[in-house]
Amino acid sequence: AQKVTQAQTEISVVEKEDVTLDCVYETRDTTYYLFWYKQPPSGELVFLIRRNSFDEQNEISGRYSWNFQKSTSSFNFTITASQVVDSAVYFCALKIRTGNQFYFGTGTSLTVIP
Amino acid sequence: GAVVSQHPSRVICKSGTSVKIECRSLDFQATTMFWYRQFPKQSLMLMATSNEGSKATYEQGVEKDKFLINHASLTLSTLTVTSAHPEDSSFYICSASGRAYYYNEQFFGPGTRLTVL
Repeated sequence: AQKVTQAQTEISVVEKEDVTLDCVYETRDTTYYLFWYKQPPSGELVFLIRRNSFDEQNEISGRYSWNFQKSTSSFNFTITASQVVDSAVYFCALKIRTGNQFYFGTGTSLTVIP
Repeated sequence: GAVVSQHPSRVICKSGTSVKIECRSLDFQATTMFWYRQFPKQSLMLMATSNEGSKATYEQGVEKDKFLINHASLTLSTLTVTSAHPEDSSFYICSASGRAYYYNEQFFGPGTRLTVL
């Protein structure tokens, strides 16, 4: 069975602070894909990143960075120098090779205080 | 590319009426479409998966007769909430995937907020 855990329900940080959102996944499949989505108050899911299980290279995109560690089944997301516009709910998701289903975590609500 | 639209974005209806929500893939052929439901401050819950031209597969606990899903073409899927009641009020999100995308990635629509009075 597949499972995604986002233990942090809510996080508040002051603007310009760095913040890391944790994601731990479970699957027995050796081929899988991990995703992060941002859901602002408007509700629309915004795709942030996709990572496949064979690529453990960390990625940086502007203020965003992702740390994928298969040894700990984690795919953590760091926002550097947070801004008020980063305030949103962030979801981590897992998809295995077979089938189309996405397994979503429960989300982390991030509030950046000006 | 890979844009998914939903219509309407917001709907308010009276209890007992039926509401239809459309999900369209604008620039790709969606062989599979998904319907999710999201309650406030909760995660997305998969309701059903539909493949073009065939019956939808519903997740356990989702009433097939209440949430009618039609995926009649490669660009359109509809969700009809029949005889809606206040407990059906929620945020409904569709997503679509197509053969052209290696990762079978799902592209999400902007969501429809349903309020049943």
